Amino acid sequence: NAGVTQTPKFRVLKTGQSMTLLCAQDMNHEYMYWYRQDPGMGLRLIHYSVGEGTTAKGEVPDGYNVSRLKKQNFLLGLESAAPSQTSVYFCASTTPLAGGLETQYFGPGTRLLVL
Amino acid sequence: KNQVEQSPQSLIILEGKNCTLQCNYTVSPFSNLRWYKQDTGRGPVSLTIMTFSENTKSNGRYTATLDADTKQSSLHITASQLSDSASYICVVSSDYKLSFGAGTTVTVRA
Repeated sequence: NAGVTQTPKFRVLKTGQSMTLLCAQDMNHEYMYWYRQDPGMGLRLIHYSVGEGTTAKGEVPDGYNVSRLKKQNFLLGLESAAPSQTSVYFCASTTPLAGGLETQYFGPGTRLLVL
Repeated sequence: KNQVEQSPQSLIILEGKNCTLQCNYTVSPFSNLRWYKQDTGRGPVSLTIMTFSENTKSNGRYTATLDADTKQSSLHITASQLSDSASYICVVSSDYKLSFGAGTTVTVRA
């Protein structure tokens, strides 16, 4: 069981370039999430998905798009990267439980630097 | 705005000593509170989840407490080990949405 994996681990982009971050999970989880983590701040939710073919906006969705064509994969796209998108990106997945007591399982993160 | 504040921002302790981390929140309505451990360069890993009715929950040498009346939680690390060096994140769940604290960075020195 690999759990949650993220590709790539590290990437440097120039302003205006585009890229896609890939998240894959092998736990058959329904829900998947993309967060960003910036120094001195808590993780912030970018987009999430509650099932294959569905996506929804989180707290900071601007400048990002997502797709969930397969249950096990959740893609995060940056169409035109900006320096403000320099961050560490984490993917997480879970299966919902009553009372919201599910545990989110996080990937190892993708470090993105936009010059 | 729902907020989760953690203190201290960082601390250094000697191996074998105990320490306590604090979390204050203004999230409402409250569903549950979680503590995560995040090693450097890794994703967060869940330590404990507590509901409104739980005051204390332990996971090995980690003990979390919750006072829902004062909206405060603490994480106590007993007999610290070098492997406890990490960032500890307090997370409050409200209506299936999670609010993350900025974390407390703990450094354990030999």
